[in-house]
Amino acid sequence: DAGVIQSPRHEVTEMGQEVTLRCKPISGHNSLFWYRQTMMRGLELLIYFNNNVPIDDSGMPEDRFSAKMPNASFSTLKIQPSEPRDSAVYFCASTASGGAETQYFGPGTRLLVL
Amino acid sequence: SQQGEEDPQALSIQEGENATMNCSYKTSINNLQWYRQNSGRGLVHLILIRSNEREKHSGRLRVTLDTSKKSSSLLITASRAADTASYFCATGPMDSSYKLIFGSGTRLLVRP
Repeated sequence: DAGVIQSPRHEVTEMGQEVTLRCKPISGHNSLFWYRQTMMRGLELLIYFNNNVPIDDSGMPEDRFSAKMPNASFSTLKIQPSEPRDSAVYFCASTASGGAETQYFGPGTRLLVL
Repeated sequence: SQQGEEDPQALSIQEGENATMNCSYKTSINNLQWYRQNSGRGLVHLILIRSNEREKHSGRLRVTLDTSKKSSSLLITASRAADTASYFCATGPMDSSYKLIFGSGTRLLVRP
């Protein structure tokens, strides 16, 4: 069975451009998480969806960030406009239980904003 | 802010030796998990220990949990070069049904 799929794996863009990151969770999982990983701040939870509904977006840095989950098999994280400080690795993770149980991570998207 | 802090930040050992990593956390938890991250990859779940458990084994991994000291340790026995990675503890705080709070990680280098 395929794991969590993320695309693109690498993204290089210029400041001010719109960036869209995509995630396909494991089939049958009902919870989806977006994380950001940087050297300075480690792994931070950005947003949590349960049954396609955003439950906790308190980690979203500012209004430039938005996330959607239109159906159980697809989610996007959008940054508009992007800034150099958004450079990081963005991970998507999913779980079957909806609780703080084992999370299955995708390979990540490495974003560089010039 | 991060809940878990790993110690040491970096560890270098010879293949065949044991590696011990420690994690301290601040608040009451439901469970504690350990994850491994190879360079340039996503995190992979290794083991989960619940707050009412004290020790758990999985293959060459042994995890202990001391809730009175708010600490956990991960022991990798008979290490291999392939164990080279960063190891993170993640706590499921009692006041949340879904959050995992990750520590800053321990970078383990196993020299062949």
